[in-house]
Amino acid sequence: QVQLQQWGAGLLKPSETLSLTCAVYGGSFSNYRWAWIRQPPGKGLEWIGEINHSTSADYNPSLKSRVSISLDTSKNQFSLNLTSVTAADTAVYYCARRLAVTTPPPLDGLDVWGQGTTVTVSS
Amino acid sequence: DIVMTQSPLSLPVSPGETALISCRSSQSLLYRNGYNYVGWYLQKAGQSPQLLIYLGSNRPSGVPDRFSGSGSGTAFTLKISRVEAEDVGVYYCMQTLQPPNTFGQGTKLEMK
Repeated sequence: QVQLQQWGAGLLKPSETLSLTCAVYGGSFSNYRWAWIRQPPGKGLEWIGEINHSTSADYNPSLKSRVSISLDTSKNQFSLNLTSVTAADTAVYYCARRLAVTTPPPLDGLDVWGQGTTVTVSS
Repeated sequence: DIVMTQSPLSLPVSPGETALISCRSSQSLLYRNGYNYVGWYLQKAGQSPQLLIYLGSNRPSGVPDRFSGSGSGTAFTLKISRVEAEDVGVYYCMQTLQPPNTFGQGTKLEMK
């Protein structure tokens, strides 16, 4: 059974860079996309971006100038970097696996999630 | 961006009743392959979200058949039959037709 284990710094100062890593246990990288989602305190879910095994990434335009997602298949990990953080970036950050099968029958959806990492930005 | 609008935002139900959650998208989520790129998720208190329905009406293995999804184009519904206490939480719809993928605001299901 596939599991995602994520980690990273939980307390940042404004203007610093948020860096989180998600390790994939028990699965391969092909046929999936690897996503990051965040949830500000008491609010809903926001998609940050995702990457496929060919390292082609899509990002939320609201964050595009500050965000990058990378994949390290040798370590079975993928990572999120968000630069120049502000208090508005305070949130629980989740990594997730997205099914991405297009051949019939197609498969889709974020079927495996990490445990979440609380990131607080405060001076 | 595709806007996802859920209703109601709060849904009190009694055990054993049927709950219906609506999700509308600002543009069609029907792809050329005939599938609607919308999924439904449940987030229980203090937990990560979990996938309930994918591609509009498909249930992953392990999800009880009390959960069903329907709809096409821009209007979708999640139906929870015979609601149980363990179904309490916030339900989200999400479109994955085109980036940026977007979520609905969430519907909080609670027991009467």
